[in-house]
Amino acid sequence: AQSVSQHNHHVILSEAASLELGCNYSYGGTVNLFWYVQYPGQHLQLLLKYFSGDPLVKGIKGFEAEFIKSKFSFNLRKPSVQWSDTAEYFCAVNSNTGNQFYFGTGTSLTVIP
Amino acid sequence: DGGITQSPKYLFRKEGQNVTLSCEQNLNHDAMYWYRQDPGQGLRLIYYSQIVNDFQKGDIAEGYSVSREKKESFPLTVTSAQKNPTAFYLCASRQGDIQYFGAGTRLSVL
Repeated sequence: AQSVSQHNHHVILSEAASLELGCNYSYGGTVNLFWYVQYPGQHLQLLLKYFSGDPLVKGIKGFEAEFIKSKFSFNLRKPSVQWSDTAEYFCAVNSNTGNQFYFGTGTSLTVIP
Repeated sequence: DGGITQSPKYLFRKEGQNVTLSCEQNLNHDAMYWYRQDPGQGLRLIYYSQIVNDFQKGDIAEGYSVSREKKESFPLTVTSAQKNPTAFYLCASRQGDIQYFGAGTRLSVL
């Protein structure tokens, strides 16, 4: 079975600091990779996705993620966080032939003004 | 206004009681999913359905049941066999490889 590991459970940053959240997955085949975000009181929503092609993908609100196949990683980055980025972030994976999605345990990000 | 509607927002269950969580979508998506979200454990798959009248167990299906009689609806029943039902339950539908989530139902045990 596939699994997803998120290394950071709670992250606290000051505004304008840079962000990197780690995500590693275990699956030997071709995968699709996702980052979802859950803002306080809101629906879980897609932040960005990687299916194929350029391993550096850009999402909404200035976020980006880099797929490194050799490391089975898909880390999320943002050069300068804002207070409004306070949320819970989930990494997810599914195989491109599968119906199930596997989520990491989530990282709670708090940005201090 | 298209989307996934989950109801109720909050639900309380008494010991030995079955409760049903509603999930409705008007996105015309074939596939629907139920997840359980617990602090520090992320989202875990309970059941999913690729088409009407068909569904498969996820990783933690014990103590739950579902039905898929209509494309728009995928209700989840938390049975009395589920000994630790207190959690946040999320329903999703899928188009291609992207999932769309509802606002969730928070279930607590009285």
